[in-house]
Amino acid sequence: DAGITQSPRYKITETGRQVTLMCHQTWSHSYMFWYRQDLGHGLRLIYYSAAADITDKGEVPDGYVVSRSKTENFPLTLESATRSQTSVYFCASSESRATGNQPQHFGDGTRLSIL
Amino acid sequence: AQTVTQSQPEMSVQEAETVTLSCTYDTSESNYYLFWYKQPPSRQMILVIRQEAYKQQNATENRFSVNFQKAAKSFSLKISDSQLGDTAMYFCAYLHGGSNYKLTFGKGTLLTVNP
Repeated sequence: DAGITQSPRYKITETGRQVTLMCHQTWSHSYMFWYRQDLGHGLRLIYYSAAADITDKGEVPDGYVVSRSKTENFPLTLESATRSQTSVYFCASSESRATGNQPQHFGDGTRLSIL
Repeated sequence: AQTVTQSQPEMSVQEAETVTLSCTYDTSESNYYLFWYKQPPSRQMILVIRQEAYKQQNATENRFSVNFQKAAKSFSLKISDSQLGDTAMYFCAYLHGGSNYKLTFGKGTLLTVNP
């Protein structure tokens, strides 16, 4: 099915563990994004990618690593999870247009709990 | 840096009535886009409406319309004939119109539609 898929939908892990959240899109969108959603903060950008092999930091990148070896995939890795990284994580994608007049399409989110 | 402020953490409205959600933003740019996203309990992020800053005409999508006041940097969302399915968190978001595709979100307004 076309769209943007995140996996897993729910994840529980322990502090210090490495965890990877997956994001896959079938539109061939150039841009992909990772956000975290916390009460009182709305959505905050963690990392984004303009194309394969091009990534850049967002507002809250510390403790996260991303890669983009293929256009359709944009995994987010927490190398050593901390309780403060308990959150709902959203992946999004958008086309590359000069006007920037393209909305971002979001996945259904991953609820990550770190004990 | 751009900021987006939603001053109403929670609102409620009776079914079939009209409600307006407020959003203000701060930017020094002239080329930008504004969006309203809806997040129902299912956690999806759904684009409701978008507005290009260079357009004076307010955007409309069925029961949803905006009041875009560029000089005041205000972008409110009006929902007419409210339905129970409109119950959701609503996020206002800003996008710079240049090569930067990063969305900046407000903290959200939780709207409850009562029967």
